[in-house]
Amino acid sequence: GESVGLHLPTLSVQEGDNSIINCAYSNSASDYFIWYKQESGKGPQFIIDIRSNMDKRQGQRVTVLLNKTVKHLSLQIAATQPGDSAVYFCAENLYGNNRLAFGKGNQVVVIP
Amino acid sequence: GAGVSQSPSNKVTEKGKDVELRCDPISGHTALYWYRQSLGQGLEFLIYFQGNSAPDKSGLPSDRFSAERTGGSVSTLTIQRTQQEDSAVYLCASSSGGARGTEAFFGQGTRLTVV
Repeated sequence: GESVGLHLPTLSVQEGDNSIINCAYSNSASDYFIWYKQESGKGPQFIIDIRSNMDKRQGQRVTVLLNKTVKHLSLQIAATQPGDSAVYFCAENLYGNNRLAFGKGNQVVVIP
Repeated sequence: GAGVSQSPSNKVTEKGKDVELRCDPISGHTALYWYRQSLGQGLEFLIYFQGNSAPDKSGLPSDRFSAERTGGSVSTLTIQRTQQEDSAVYLCASSSGGARGTEAFFGQGTRLTVV
């Protein structure tokens, strides 16, 4: 079964506020993590990734934090916009062969 | 093409019929994945191809499911004797492979409905 899970199924956020999406993983040997965004009717789209030798990585309006001690991953979205409404998946690289295991997803709803 | 292309985008089939889903990966990508996504659920791994290596079939749910990748490029996922529980979106992804930890690019998916 999946070793990656998300804490909250739905997150409602006011436009302009920051969003935080959390993810727990169970495989301490996983060394590569990705956040994907999936809009309705579309395939998942890469947002940001992080390797296990890093604690934090920043992109445009997004930051991923990795806490290996507690096997926790989070995605922070700054100044959330209506276009950020989507389902967000975290994924971990299992078994060292580029196979990705996905969590169940977290719906983000941006309130204008 | 510029991205991963899947066809058809939608497929409605009768229970018991066979279906074939096609994936055209990004040119030059050696790794190709098939995932299945049920409504409101995460992505379930099905099968993984990497270059000329034997595919990782560990995610295929039953022997009714099979996949091929011809010439290291196009892949076909075949579902025989379809059942209603096979209804889902089937997603294909490709990556440049090589070193571990490579971004996978997804296609739009094929929405399969078994009636």
